Amino acid sequence: AQSVSQHNHHVILSEAASLELGCNYSYGGTVNLFWYVQYPGQHLQLLLKYFSGDPLVKGIKGFEAEFIKSKFSFNLRKPSVQWSDTAEYFCAVNAGPNSGNTPLVFGKGTRLSVIA
Amino acid sequence: GAVVSQHPSWVICKSGTSVKIECRSLDFQATTMFWYRQFPKQSLMLMATSNEGSKATYEQGVEKDKFLINHASLTLSTLTVTSAHPEDSSFYICSARVSRRAGANVLTFGAGSRLTVL
Repeated sequence: AQSVSQHNHHVILSEAASLELGCNYSYGGTVNLFWYVQYPGQHLQLLLKYFSGDPLVKGIKGFEAEFIKSKFSFNLRKPSVQWSDTAEYFCAVNAGPNSGNTPLVFGKGTRLSVIA
Repeated sequence: GAVVSQHPSWVICKSGTSVKIECRSLDFQATTMFWYRQFPKQSLMLMATSNEGSKATYEQGVEKDKFLINHASLTLSTLTVTSAHPEDSSFYICSARVSRRAGANVLTFGAGSRLTVL
């Protein structure tokens, strides 16, 4: 079975600081990887996704993530965070090609608080 | 873009009553919807996979008779929490797959329904 581990429960950063949120997964086969964000009072939104190809994925709002297959990792990064990035971030994975309608497995989430 | 509408957003009920939560795909057809449950400060846990026109597939440990899922049309799936008890209080979130690409499973999420059972 797949599982996702997010290392940090709560991260506090000052504006303009760089961000890296860790995500590791366990699954032996091909995977699709996702980062979702949940802003306060809002529903989950897709930040970025990786299916295949270039392991460095660019997402919305200046976020990017790098898939490192040898480390089973898909860390989320942003060079300079803003106060508006304050949110809960979830890493998710599901089995790769031909997985049909397999659901996503989520990590426990990382709360990011950006202070002025 | 694809939108999933979920109602109600917040419901309070007495113990022993049943509560129905609706999940609608507004501008696309969703043959498959997923129902998740989120406890405070925890991850989203998959409860069941809802397939249009067929029985839902429940995850291990999820009571089929307590959490009734109906997916009667391509745009509507419902979750009914039957004989609710305080331990059923949680945040329930539905999602639908919007990508036709096999294995992609890009999900659009509803806003969630917070259930409080007194």
